[in-house]
Amino acid sequence: DGGITQSPKYLFRKEGQNVTLSCEQNLNHDAMYWYRQDPGQGLRLIYYSQIVNDFQKGDIAEGYSVSREKKESFPLTVTSAQKNPTAFYLCASSTGHQPQHFGDGTRLSIL
Amino acid sequence: GQQLNQSPQSMFIQEGEDVSMNCTSSSIFNTWLWYKQDPGEGPVLLIALYKAGELTSNGRLTAQFGITRKDSFLNISASIPSDVGIYFCAGLGAQKLVFGQGTRLTINP
Repeated sequence: DGGITQSPKYLFRKEGQNVTLSCEQNLNHDAMYWYRQDPGQGLRLIYYSQIVNDFQKGDIAEGYSVSREKKESFPLTVTSAQKNPTAFYLCASSTGHQPQHFGDGTRLSIL
Repeated sequence: GQQLNQSPQSMFIQEGEDVSMNCTSSSIFNTWLWYKQDPGEGPVLLIALYKAGELTSNGRLTAQFGITRKDSFLNISASIPSDVGIYFCAGLGAQKLVFGQGTRLTINP
């Protein structure tokens, strides 16, 4: 089945640690995105990538980093510089002018 | 940055009632999307609108792309329990989606 896979579903981080969230897609989509969702709020764009080896900052990129070495993969690292990392993180992908499709998310919590 | 105002923030209705929610923006969008999100899952696309004035249906759902390109509404007719969730509008700007804050729909049986 084609789709977007995010792992893990739940992730716990200690203060001062970096953690990496995985996002893989087998839809052959060119563009991939990372969003952050806080309770009662909409989705806010962290980073996006239109093509392999290229990515741009979204609206809330501080404290996060990404890479796009392969078309199907767009991992997000939440660094220790992100002071409030507890949130639900969503990965999406799209191609051309088609709507974005989302994975099922990773919930990150601080121990 | 661009923002969408989505209303209402929450709705409490009886099963069988019709539902209406809308989004407005100060900016023009060329595409409007409506998503539904269930708890602990990612948003799922319900309807995509590509042309100003366009009215599109998907089963009991109907959405319209406002003629000014600055607004959109979503209607759900004859609500059922599985309609419960959070509904998001989104406008496609320059290569990026801008999301509304969501409408949380609760249905009393």
